[in-house]
Amino acid sequence: AQSVTQLGSHVSVSEGALVLLRCNYSSSVPPYLFWYVQYPNQGLQLLLKYTSAATLVKGINGFEAEFKKSETSFHLTKPSAHMSDAAEYFCAVSVPYSGGGADGLTFGKGTHLIIQP
Amino acid sequence: DAGVTQSPTHLIKTRGQQVTLRCSPKSGHDTVSWYQQALGQGPQFIFQYYEEEERQRGNFPDRFSGHQFPNYSSELNVNALLLGDSALYLCASSQTDRGLYEQYFGPGTRLTVT
Repeated sequence: AQSVTQLGSHVSVSEGALVLLRCNYSSSVPPYLFWYVQYPNQGLQLLLKYTSAATLVKGINGFEAEFKKSETSFHLTKPSAHMSDAAEYFCAVSVPYSGGGADGLTFGKGTHLIIQP
Repeated sequence: DAGVTQSPTHLIKTRGQQVTLRCSPKSGHDTVSWYQQALGQGPQFIFQYYEEEERQRGNFPDRFSGHQFPNYSSELNVNALLLGDSALYLCASSQTDRGLYEQYFGPGTRLTVT
């Protein structure tokens, strides 16, 4: 079974500052890892994914994440925060099927990102 | 190219009633997964459908059932509704046949049980 821990239910940064959202995972097999963003009253939008290729993954809107197997971490970063980045961020893990596709996502509890002007 | 669509957007039901939620996957996708997101929580996996069969199920009671149709669209049915079933229900689609694994989410159906 997989699990995800997101450290910090709320993170507040100033506009233009570095964004760092922490995610640690547990999986008995090599996992796929994802970050999703959710704006109020909307569904989830995929920011980026790790699927056993490059350990540094770049996503949309200037976000990137680094897979560190030794630390079982997949932290999300962005060099300079924008007001439009304010949202809920979810880290998720899944396990691939041998025949293609992957099983259901296991999500963390989410981190609410607040951008201070 | 239409993304994942869900209907209805909002729904209010009474305890004990039954509800059906619908999902149309993104064009070209063949796999549908359903999630329940309670207020202030991360989504919880309910089940996944592929080739019209339930391929995997999360930790949800049998009151939650589903179906996938030949055109890959899907329904989620919940019987004997409880107050605790109030949540945002999210549908996600992906593309198993091409070995793709990213799940794309719809906007969700907000279910309120009174």
